[in-house]
Amino acid sequence: EPEVTQTPSHQVTQMGQEVILRCVPISNHLYFYWYRQILGQKVEFLVSFYNNEISEKSEIFDDQFSVERPDGSNFTLKIRSTKLEDSAMYFCASSAIRDPNSPLHFGNGTRLTVT
Amino acid sequence: DAKTTQPPSMDCAEGRAANLPCNHSTISGNEYVYWYRQIHSQGPQYIIHGLKNNETNEMASLIITEDRKSSTLILPHATLRDTAVYYCIVRTGNQFYFGTGTSLTVIP
Repeated sequence: EPEVTQTPSHQVTQMGQEVILRCVPISNHLYFYWYRQILGQKVEFLVSFYNNEISEKSEIFDDQFSVERPDGSNFTLKIRSTKLEDSAMYFCASSAIRDPNSPLHFGNGTRLTVT
Repeated sequence: DAKTTQPPSMDCAEGRAANLPCNHSTISGNEYVYWYRQIHSQGPQYIIHGLKNNETNEMASLIITEDRKSSTLILPHATLRDTAVYYCIVRTGNQFYFGTGTSLTVIP
């Protein structure tokens, strides 16, 4: 069964450094998402992306964050200057179409640890 | 914010049916009810979704009341691997808002 894959599974970085989290969505999907989950807290929406542009973003997704689809398969989340509070699990998701009847499929996440 | 209310935790004996309730009394007519689960810190796993009718797939059944103000996810024969946090989500637009879910523990 097709799945969303994320790399790396665990990323450790120092405060102030830039990180790029990578995702390969399901191949025929058109909508892409990033969510995050701080340890012990809820899964939170960050951003959705379609047709090479951001569709929606939350208040969390400030100027430190950016997303890109650099080629036909990858979808990336960049954090420019990481802060301690950016430590979290980051989940990528994709859906086939922009329809409430179309489920999101999530990857297994990247655990980001900022020291 | 999440538009659903779920009990924080439940236990279920292995091999028995697990019935997970969810209240969504403010749901609108065109909003779908989705269920996901999260095992440990893995990514949320899609289980099932529905609008008005009851739905069944290989993982579970979804029973939605006629007034659509509540629903129940049924795992027909729970196994130890079904121990997870189960999220009931009312889909608003193109986003999912996750609440705190129900932590289901399947007991041997």
